[in-house]
Amino acid sequence: EIVLTQSPVSITASQGEKVTITCRASSSISSNYLHWYQQKAGSYPKLLIYRTSILASGFPDSFSGSGSDTSYTLTISCMQDEVAASYYCQQGSSSPYTFGAGTKLELK
Amino acid sequence: EVQLVESGGGLVQPGRSMKLSCAASGFTFNNYDMAWVCQAPKKGLEWVATISYDGSSTYYRDSVKGRFTISRDNAKSTLYLQMDSLRSEDTATYYCARHVPYGGYQPWGQGVMVTVSS
Repeated sequence: EIVLTQSPVSITASQGEKVTITCRASSSISSNYLHWYQQKAGSYPKLLIYRTSILASGFPDSFSGSGSDTSYTLTISCMQDEVAASYYCQQGSSSPYTFGAGTKLELK
Repeated sequence: EVQLVESGGGLVQPGRSMKLSCAASGFTFNNYDMAWVCQAPKKGLEWVATISYDGSSTYYRDSVKGRFTISRDNAKSTLYLQMDSLRSEDTATYYCARHVPYGGYQPWGQGVMVTVSS
């Protein structure tokens, strides 16, 4: 099983601040199979970034993703109230198709 | 509009069964693999099971193998999750999701709550 370790577990950022969330895999993953999801409180998850770096429809380009092998990053260039949510990485490379434990992002 | 709508959740006693349904619309259902993902209260997301576009292949997380069965009816554009021998630790919101090749899970349904308790 590929274990995905996200850090930090939670983060509080100020308006306009840049935020970085890391996802580390216990073994190598093709970048084609690493995805990120956003889940706002009380709602279902939404695909945010797929194949490591491709932004899903409906999300602003303040979100970006990068990485390879065992280390992946989600970056939010400018913290705003509307990006306060939980973020999860997920690998679709091999079953079980695991998720990271999540990062809760809040506005200071 | 691509849409997934789950149904069938509720309160069930430990050891009993429950069947969830997910009605799909707005896309060619039989072209896509489908998945169930769960989320225990105040916890993270956990993949539960995946079924191939034609139903010929299924995959499960270890904790549900032998107890849960994922299936689909392509004629009805509907995904199912039969849950048997339910345990308290199965209490969660269950989401169905379309699996896009190299594209993750998109979209997700709104989720259905399953509570296993006596």
